[in-house]
Amino acid sequence: DVKVTQSSRYLVKRTGEKVFLECVQDMDHENMFWYRQDPGLGLRLIYFSYDVKMKEKGDIPEGYSVSREKKERFSLILESASTNQTSMYLCASSLGATSSYEQYFGPGTRLTVT
Amino acid sequence: AQSVTQLGSHVSVSEGALVLLRCNYSSSVPPYLFWYAQYPNQGLQLLLKYTSAATLVKGINGFEAEFKKSETSFHLTKPSAHMSDAAEYFCAVRAGADGLTFGKGTHLIIQP
Repeated sequence: DVKVTQSSRYLVKRTGEKVFLECVQDMDHENMFWYRQDPGLGLRLIYFSYDVKMKEKGDIPEGYSVSREKKERFSLILESASTNQTSMYLCASSLGATSSYEQYFGPGTRLTVT
Repeated sequence: AQSVTQLGSHVSVSEGALVLLRCNYSSSVPPYLFWYAQYPNQGLQLLLKYTSAATLVKGINGFEAEFKKSETSFHLTKPSAHMSDAAEYFCAVRAGADGLTFGKGTHLIIQP
């Protein structure tokens, strides 16, 4: 089974702090994704990566950056956390261009910025 | 561009009743379609997927969905609801090279 793990289930940070959310997948997937989930808005794509050191902006990249130094790890960085970044953050991975596109999700990190 | 519309942000059914969650899509390429479930305090779990094979797709936990090209729909059904089916359900369509576009979700409530 594909396993996607996220470093924290719950996180509380202060406004202005730098926040790192880590995601690791164990199935040698090419693609990795970061979403945020808010009530009534569904999942919105923040950033994704097709390969090591590659990154592409999603629909809502403002205020976020990412890092992918190793194939299995994809980090989401909030450079200076703000209260409007309080949300559930979901990481996902998928096999690659030859796959049927299904994504496998981690359990999520619920981030609260105070 | 691809998009997904889920009709009804909340659906309530009685235990043992039919579950029907509606999804309509828009896609400029042959669609790959997915249904995911999110149980309380968990990530998303893939229930089933349509990838241009059989139009009636059977998934896990007794769920199935039918792809109807003429109606651009991919509704999720289950004959008999169980209390454990209470969750948020998301429909998604292939978008771009490898991405997915998700609907806003439907919260399924099961009444005892």
